[in-house]
Amino acid sequence: EPEVTQTPSHQVTQMGQEVILRCVPISNHLYFYWYRQILGQKVEFLVSFYNNEISEKSEIFDDQFSVERPDGSNFTLKIRSTKLEDSAMYFCASSWVILGTDTQYFGPGTRLTVL
Amino acid sequence: RKEVEQDPGPFNVPEGATVAFNCTYSNSASQSFFWYRQDCRKEPKLLMSVYSSGNEDGRFTAQLNRASQYISLLIRDSKLSDSATYLCAENVGGSQGNLIFGKGTKLSVKP
Repeated sequence: EPEVTQTPSHQVTQMGQEVILRCVPISNHLYFYWYRQILGQKVEFLVSFYNNEISEKSEIFDDQFSVERPDGSNFTLKIRSTKLEDSAMYFCASSWVILGTDTQYFGPGTRLTVL
Repeated sequence: RKEVEQDPGPFNVPEGATVAFNCTYSNSASQSFFWYRQDCRKEPKLLMSVYSSGNEDGRFTAQLNRASQYISLLIRDSKLSDSATYLCAENVGGSQGNLIFGKGTKLSVKP
C-alpha cells in the first residue's frame, strides 16, 4: 500500500539554526500539506500546496517557514531560524482531491527538538 | 474562528464494551468530516470518513448531525487494540482543504 514517507524521523538542532524536513508524498497525489503537533496538543495545520504554489497557510506559517517541491517526488518544509517553540512533531500529508471530499494520508512525522 | 471540540477523556472501558465519542464543530460551512486514530507519538491514521447518512465499518459507526453540528463515533465490542486517541477533523473545503482537528479523546480498553 502506498504511503507518505518523511525524513529524518528525529532532528535535533540549536536555536537559530535552519532545518529542512523532507517528505515524499504518495506518488499520484497532487495536494500536499504540513501539520505540526506540539507535545500534548492538537494537530495544527501549517500549509497546503498545489500546482507548485501555496494554496493556504495558517497564522503559524510565518516568514520563518517556507515550502518547496524541488523535484517530482520530494516536498520540503524549511524553518529558517528555529526557535525553542518550534519543537514539535511535523507531519506531512498528501491527498488526491482537495475539495473536502477526499482523504489526507499522513506520514510518520519528524520529531524536531530545538535546544 | 473555526474550532472542533472533543471530550478529552480518558475513557476507560473493559474489553467488549461499547463506547461513543462526540465531537462538535463550529463552522456550518464545513463539507466533510473524518475520524482519525492516533497512537502515542505516531501519525494520525484515517479511521473513517463521516457521511450525512451515517456509515459503518465493522465495529465502527460514524454519524453526522448537521443541525446540531456534531459528529459521533461508536465502537462496539471494543478490543485491547482499540486503545488510542481518537481525533475528529473537519475539512472546510473550497480552496483550502486543510483539516481542523480536535484535541482528541483518549480511549483505554482494559482486559
